[in-house]
Amino acid sequence: NAGVTQTPKFQVLKTGQSMTLQCAQDMNHEYMSWYRQDPGMGLRLIHYSVGAGITDQGEVPNGYNVSRSTTEDFPLRLLSAAPSQTSVYFCASRTGTGERASPLHFGNGTRLTVT
Amino acid sequence: AQSVTQPDIHITVSEGASLELRCNYSYGATPYLFWYVQSPGQGLQLLLKYFSGDTLVQGIKGFEAEFKRSQSSFNLRKPSVHWSDAAEYFCAAVSGKSTFGDGTTLTVKP
Repeated sequence: NAGVTQTPKFQVLKTGQSMTLQCAQDMNHEYMSWYRQDPGMGLRLIHYSVGAGITDQGEVPNGYNVSRSTTEDFPLRLLSAAPSQTSVYFCASRTGTGERASPLHFGNGTRLTVT
Repeated sequence: AQSVTQPDIHITVSEGASLELRCNYSYGATPYLFWYVQSPGQGLQLLLKYFSGDTLVQGIKGFEAEFKRSQSSFNLRKPSVHWSDAAEYFCAAVSGKSTFGDGTTLTVKP
């Protein structure tokens, strides 16, 4: 059982380049989300999805796009990378709602540097 | 706005000493509460969770947390810290979305 898989682990981009961070989970979780982690700022929610075809913005959505065409995959797109997007990105998923909600299962992160 | 606050950015304790990490939340209704731990360069691992019922919850690695509704707090405790507990700790609340505190870095002195 692979859990949540993020690729790539490391990426360096030049300002203005675009790229997609991949996230896949094999646990049939309805909820998937993307966070960025910056020193002293914890994890901030970028976008999330409660099921295939449904996405919504989190706390810091600007500069990022997402789509959820399947339950398994939740890619995060940077359309025009900026140095401010240098960060560590975590994908996470969970299942259920209310008291049946599982804790978040995290991927191992993608360290992105934008020069 | 919904928020989770961890007042202590950095805490240093001696090995074998007790530990308490603070977490306060601001929500209209009581959210579901979690503590996660992150070792350097790693992802986040769940320590424990609170949904309802007993306000003292036990987690892995000897950690426990106490939910206090009157204080909107969910503080993490450990009676005797081990050097391997040095890490960053995050409190999180779920009410639809998951919101994290800024984290507390724990340093353990030998």
